[in-house]
Amino acid sequence: GAVVSQHPSRVICKSGTSVKIECRSLDFQATTMFWYRQFPKKSLMLMATSNEGSKATYEQGVEKDKFLINHASLTLSTLTVTSAHPEDSSFYICSARRRTLYNSPLHFGNGTRLTVT
Amino acid sequence: KQEVTQIPAALSVPEGENLVLNCSFTDSAIYNLQWFRQDPGKGLTSLLLIQSSQREQTSGRLNASLDKSSGRSTLYIAASQPGDSATYLCAANVDDKIIFGKGTRLHILP
Repeated sequence: GAVVSQHPSRVICKSGTSVKIECRSLDFQATTMFWYRQFPKKSLMLMATSNEGSKATYEQGVEKDKFLINHASLTLSTLTVTSAHPEDSSFYICSARRRTLYNSPLHFGNGTRLTVT
Repeated sequence: KQEVTQIPAALSVPEGENLVLNCSFTDSAIYNLQWFRQDPGKGLTSLLLIQSSQREQTSGRLNASLDKSSGRSTLYIAASQPGDSATYLCAANVDDKIIFGKGTRLHILP
């Protein structure tokens, strides 16, 4: 089955530093990738939609200058949390959909637990 | 605006029982609806995907149904096992946006 690899699985960083999270589709081409954030005991919140070769579309209330998304190829999207603060500590999950299959299921990475101290 | 609601928020049942998880959505114009499983601190595992033209999908002990007109989907788990303990999320695909419910935390008692 389709596999999405997310790296790192856990990261601890100091306040003010930047952290990059990678999301790779290992055995398929993903035109579209999605980034989610999950607070404890809450549902996943869509942060942005990343389309290969174009700018990401951010959801209302998500700071695009803080959460930089790059989708440089059909198999890789990155989320960079810039100038991280403790309130950015959360669980971040990416998902990907096969190219040309608009109505296909989403495949998810295993998530990244970010802790900002 | 699409809203997805899952009831109950938490459920504990003895091992071996059959159970039903509910998911409702406000906008019936969905492309598909997907059920996921999430273990604590982990990512999501896709369980079943139902296209808007379908009424149900089955995989092993799992059966998911979809009633677009009433804005409802159910996930039926037969002969529950302790390994089924997890949070179950449903997600509606509307206009290429995936909207998640808050999930149902399921605990199967051995």
